[in-house]
Amino acid sequence: AQKITQTQPGMFVQEKEAVTLDCTYDTSDPSYGLFWYKQPSSGEMIFLIYQGSYDQQNATEGRYSLNFQKARKSANLVISASQLGDSAMYFCAMTPGGNTGKLIFGQGTTLQVKP
Amino acid sequence: DAGVIQSPRHEVTEMGQEVTLRCKPISGHNSLFWYRQTMMRGLELLIYFNNNVPIDDSGMPEDRFSAKMPNASFSTLKIQPSEPRDSAVYFCASSFGVGSYEQYFGPGTRLTVT
Repeated sequence: AQKITQTQPGMFVQEKEAVTLDCTYDTSDPSYGLFWYKQPSSGEMIFLIYQGSYDQQNATEGRYSLNFQKARKSANLVISASQLGDSAMYFCAMTPGGNTGKLIFGQGTTLQVKP
Repeated sequence: DAGVIQSPRHEVTEMGQEVTLRCKPISGHNSLFWYRQTMMRGLELLIYFNNNVPIDDSGMPEDRFSAKMPNASFSTLKIQPSEPRDSAVYFCASSFGVGSYEQYFGPGTRLTVT
C-alpha cells in the first residue's frame, strides 16, 4: 500500500538558517509524483514544490528545494534562509502511479522559526 | 485571479441535520477533489472528479456522505444526517488534470456538529 511517512512532528530553526524536513514514501509503482504543501496557522494549503519519479534533477522553487533520493525512497524538503513567515505545518504528499489524482498525505511536520 | 472558493467558511449544526458544503473550482481546471482534515486522521481524500465525473469515491466514509458536480464550476458535498464525528475541516481543491499537476486548495470549511 502507498504510504507517506514524516517522522518529525516538530522542528525548530533559527531565522536565516537552512532546515531539512524529512519525508519517506512507499510505493511499488514506477511512476509517481511527490509534493510538498505548507499550511500556516490560518489553515489554507499552499503548494510549494513537485518532483516526478522520472525527473533526473532535484526540483527547486526559490528557497525551496526537494532532495530526491529514489533508491532510499526519500523526498526531503530543504528550506534555505528561513524566515519567520516559514513557521507553519508542512505536508509531504504523493500521487501513486496510473495517472490517478489521489494525493496521499503524511502526518505533517510543524516548523517554528526562531528570531 | 480567483482561487478555489468554498462556502460556508464555518458551519455549526446539530447532530442529525443535513449539511451542504459548496465549492467553486478555479476556472479552466478539470479535476476537483474533496478532502477532510482531522487531528486523528490527518488529511484524507474523500472523492475526486475529472471532467465532472466521479472517478474515485473510495474515501467517502459512509452512505451519509454524497458529492455532486453538476457542471465544471460547481460541486457540493452533502452529509445527511450529520454526526459529531463528522466535525472536521473540509477542503476542496482543483487542478488542470490528475497525476503530476499540483492541486490548488480552497480555504476550507470548518464543520462543527454538536
